[in-house]
Amino acid sequence: GQQVMQIPQYQHVQEGEDFTTYCNSSTTLSNIQWYKQRPGGHPVFLIQLVKSGEVKKQKRLTFQFGEAKKNSSLHITATQTTDVGTYFCAGTGTASKLTFGTGTRLQVTL
Amino acid sequence: DTAVSQTPKYLVTQMGNDKSIKCEQNLGHDTMYWYKQDSKKFLKIMFSYNNKELIINETVPNRFSPKSPDKAHLNLHINSLELGDSAVYFCASGSGTLNQPQHFGDGTRLSIL
Repeated sequence: GQQVMQIPQYQHVQEGEDFTTYCNSSTTLSNIQWYKQRPGGHPVFLIQLVKSGEVKKQKRLTFQFGEAKKNSSLHITATQTTDVGTYFCAGTGTASKLTFGTGTRLQVTL
Repeated sequence: DTAVSQTPKYLVTQMGNDKSIKCEQNLGHDTMYWYKQDSKKFLKIMFSYNNKELIINETVPNRFSPKSPDKAHLNLHINSLELGDSAVYFCASGSGTLNQPQHFGDGTRLSIL
């Protein structure tokens, strides 16, 4: 079945440093979504990308969808303590259902 | 107003018991889901219903039985609970097809003693 892997599994940064998580699918995706889950919370939808090579920005967050539509990335510029949480990508493959990635846990310290 | 609400928030019970988790959404969505999140934070889909009809049934033990009395509600009943069932169970809803953004409930933390 479809697999969606994310790297790194965990990253610890100092506040102000940048952070990137990468999402790779075993199959071509029709779309990719990103979610954020704060510690003790539930996943919250951030954004959806649909087009090959698409780039979208939300304040300090930049989302990219790869040209081959098999990978994606989320980059956070100048992290803040409020960015702490686990970031999940989720992609729709040939089965037309969303498969969540393995997640990247981000820890930010002062 | 809570968009997707689950009850209970916490469930502590003994092995072998039967328990139910309830979920309701007031977003008018057609599709609802149950996910299991284990201690490593992996989110695995268990079931999905669209307008009360089961459309996704992943490899889940048949001790787990979902029920959707109407499109705003999706409940999960678990028989003969086992230690490995300890996890956080999330309900979610989405509009239209399976690939649309999903709104999650706060989760039910199930602990088996």
